[in-house]
Amino acid sequence: AQSVTQLGSHVSVSEGALVLLRCNYSSSVPPYLFWYVQYPNQGLQLLLKYTSAATLVKGINGFEAEFKKSETSFHLTKPSAHMSDAAEYFCAVSRGGSQGNLIFGKGTKLSVKP
Amino acid sequence: GAGVSQTPSNKVTEKGKYVELRCDPISGHTALYWYRQSLGQGPEFLIYFQGTGAADDSGLPNDRFFAVRPEGSVSTLKIQRTERGDSAVYLCASSPTSTKETQYFGPGTRLLVL
Repeated sequence: AQSVTQLGSHVSVSEGALVLLRCNYSSSVPPYLFWYVQYPNQGLQLLLKYTSAATLVKGINGFEAEFKKSETSFHLTKPSAHMSDAAEYFCAVSRGGSQGNLIFGKGTKLSVKP
Repeated sequence: GAGVSQTPSNKVTEKGKYVELRCDPISGHTALYWYRQSLGQGPEFLIYFQGTGAADDSGLPNDRFFAVRPEGSVSTLKIQRTERGDSAVYLCASSPTSTKETQYFGPGTRLLVL
């Protein structure tokens, strides 16, 4: 069975500082992994996804994530936080095969201080 | 092009009433998903359609919940005898064809059961 754990329900960084949002997964099959961002009162927007190609995945808005099989991790990073990055971030794993639904973590709310 | 749209954006109803939530996927997308997001949680899978048929309804919590997609495009999620615990944001997503592809989310319908 697949599952996702996001460490830290709230993360606060200063503007210009490194952003690191942690995600660990459990999957009985090679996983597809996703990071989505949700701004207040908006739908989920895909930041990036890993589908068994390059392990370092670059996404929109300067975010990237590295798939580490040995650590079962897919942490999201951004070198320099911007005020507009304040949002909630969700890591998700696909059940894979013919089962396409995503299994989401509980989310991490990112705050950016001026 | 137009994204996934959901109507209504907000729905307030009384315990015991029947509600219908509508999802208009991106034109041409054959896969459609419904998720439910409770306060402070990540989205939880409800049901997945491939074309007109429900390929996986394992996430529906009980038989009060039902969804249809009669022409392979618009989908309606139906909840009978609503309960206060059904209050949540109901999210719809669509993807072009296979389960490997990115899911595009609508803004959601916020359901409040009084």
